[in-house]
Amino acid sequence: DTAVSQTPKYLVTQMGNDKSIKCEQNLGHDTMYWYKQDSKKFLKIMFSYNNKELIINETVPNRFSPKSPDKAHLNLHINSLELGDSAVYFCASSQSTWSGSEQYFGPGTRLTVT
Amino acid sequence: TQLLEQSPQFLSIQEGENLTVYCNSSSVFSSLQWYRQEPGEGPVLLVTVVTGGEVKKLKRLTFQFGDARKDSSLHITAAQPGDTGLYLCAGDRDSGYALNFGKGTSLLVTP
Repeated sequence: DTAVSQTPKYLVTQMGNDKSIKCEQNLGHDTMYWYKQDSKKFLKIMFSYNNKELIINETVPNRFSPKSPDKAHLNLHINSLELGDSAVYFCASSQSTWSGSEQYFGPGTRLTVT
Repeated sequence: TQLLEQSPQFLSIQEGENLTVYCNSSSVFSSLQWYRQEPGEGPVLLVTVVTGGEVKKLKRLTFQFGDARKDSSLHITAAQPGDTGLYLCAGDRDSGYALNFGKGTSLLVTP
């Protein structure tokens, strides 16, 4: 039974399009995250939600909008996709907002913008 | 921004060799984590260290947190091909929420 799942696994789209990535966790965790991993494998926090409330919003363009309908889901919508958005996007969850809490990562969504 | 520098960036060794990976910063962390990521998958937590000078062992892996809580090391004894992967260290951010990750050490262990 997958703890943190993401869909789709792969996403290929053209510049200017709008796309969404879905994330669900069945661990009962209160905190969820979106990370971006670039081509050099650097993993960087984008957003963090605790109980559906946004607590971290890094310097991410407004074209990226997270939505948390309930604490088990954190979706990422991206408007007007650009070439530089190509990366692997990871959803993660943890039991609490304490940074020492173990973070459980999803399998990632590889986004390719052409 | 609390930066974590990992070294080496790449490491290719033969089965049975020992290796050490380093994670350094000028900032003090209240906790530091090590993750391993395999191709096509998300990172998986190996260990969390919270006390300066702490040493934790996980089978052939030994993790150490520096006395000043600014650095950490991961030592692997008698590496095996199954140890191949990207090793990431991560420290807590100023805000205490989420993590700052290092750029990783990519390890390849050949039979």
